[in-house]
Amino acid sequence: AQSVTQLDSQVPVFEEAPVELRCNYSSSVSVYLFWYVQYPNQGLQLLLKYLSGSTLVKGINGFEAEFNKSQTSFHLRKPSVHISDTAEYFCAVSGQGAQKLVFGQGTRLTINP
Amino acid sequence: GAGVSQSPSNKVTEKGKDVELRCDPISGHTALYWYRQSLGQGLEFLIYFQGNSAPDKSGLPSDRFSAERTGGSVSTLTIQRTQQEDSAVYLCASSLEQGEKLFFGSGTQLSVL
Repeated sequence: AQSVTQLDSQVPVFEEAPVELRCNYSSSVSVYLFWYVQYPNQGLQLLLKYLSGSTLVKGINGFEAEFNKSQTSFHLRKPSVHISDTAEYFCAVSGQGAQKLVFGQGTRLTINP
Repeated sequence: GAGVSQSPSNKVTEKGKDVELRCDPISGHTALYWYRQSLGQGLEFLIYFQGNSAPDKSGLPSDRFSAERTGGSVSTLTIQRTQQEDSAVYLCASSLEQGEKLFFGSGTQLSVL
């Protein structure tokens, strides 16, 4: 079975500062990895995903994530955040081969002016 | 339809009553998930349907919870003898196939009094 750990429940940063949201996973098989974002009072939407190939994945709104198999991590980064990035971010993993998608507990990103 | 539709959007019930939550996925999507979102708890996986395969029920918290998906389309999540701890937002999501992005419904806010 797969599991996901998001190490930080809340991350406060100043506007235009860089941010990294951490995600570690556990799996006995090859995985697909995802980051979803939930803006206030909205549904979840996909930021980016890793299925195979290049370990550096670029997503929407300037976010990127790097798959590190040896460290079983998939951390999300943005070089300069904006007030509009305030949201809850969820990391998710599924094992390849029609397996369920499991989400982490979420990280609340708060941007201060 | 244009997206994943869930009904009702809000449900208030008394402890001990049964409730049924409905999900209409996007037409043609083979994968359908139910998740539960509580404050500070992230997205808790409940059940996963993939095509004609047997569903993955490993996330259902107790035998009071059950779900079915008829004709590979509409799904119903049933909670029997509701308890106060069942109060949460129940989210349905579908995807074209495993590894593709999930499209989430707006959720059903369940309140058990």
